[in-house]
Amino acid sequence: ETGVTQTPRHLVMGMTNKKSLKCEQHLGHNAMYWYKQSAKKPLELMFVYNFKEQTENNSVPSRFSPECPNSSHLFLHLHTLQPEDSALYLCASSPQGATNEKLFFGSGTQLSVL
Amino acid sequence: GEDVEQSLFLSVREGDSSVINCTYTDSSSTYLYWYKQEPGAGLQLLTYIFSNMDMKQDQRLTVLLNKKDKHLSLRIADTQTGDSAIYFCAEDTGAGNNRKLIWGLGTSLAVNP
Repeated sequence: ETGVTQTPRHLVMGMTNKKSLKCEQHLGHNAMYWYKQSAKKPLELMFVYNFKEQTENNSVPSRFSPECPNSSHLFLHLHTLQPEDSALYLCASSPQGATNEKLFFGSGTQLSVL
Repeated sequence: GEDVEQSLFLSVREGDSSVINCTYTDSSSTYLYWYKQEPGAGLQLLTYIFSNMDMKQDQRLTVLLNKKDKHLSLRIADTQTGDSAIYFCAEDTGAGNNRKLIWGLGTSLAVNP
């Protein structure tokens, strides 16, 4: 398997649920990112990890909690989400550290919060 | 503030050329990118241009950069139905810890047979 893989592809959760999104990259990259894609809004960077260390947290609410156990895996833990958190959550990786150059994206998790 | 703007929709006939335009505000950008997003998929890097270049050609793709007007365009020659997708322009700005990507809203390209 190659590239950036995200699971699940679709997720429906209630506001009181706890769930996790998973991302795995097989490209040997050092940096991984979580992005949020909502309709009629530019892509929003949420978190950046460089060599497993979090280097950026773009004022994301604490109900989103990232975890990067190694440079190939990235998780986004979700709890007590709001309906406005419904969006496509994209994971990306890049080869040259957290420089934004040449991002490789997964197919995303389409999240619906009821 | 920093902003990247694109027209939201473009419709072309198969075989014609498509030109997708983008304007940006930060003149200190280092790279400018074009990403493609097909339905149900993530974004895929199509091409990019360094800010000291005017033009870059890659097979059917031609990128033109006008730094004076802060205008970037992507031309797709001989557009095919498989080119139907959303095309995002992104500007790489800042330096060091302040380096970030500013994204446009995307241009939805429809290719009609």
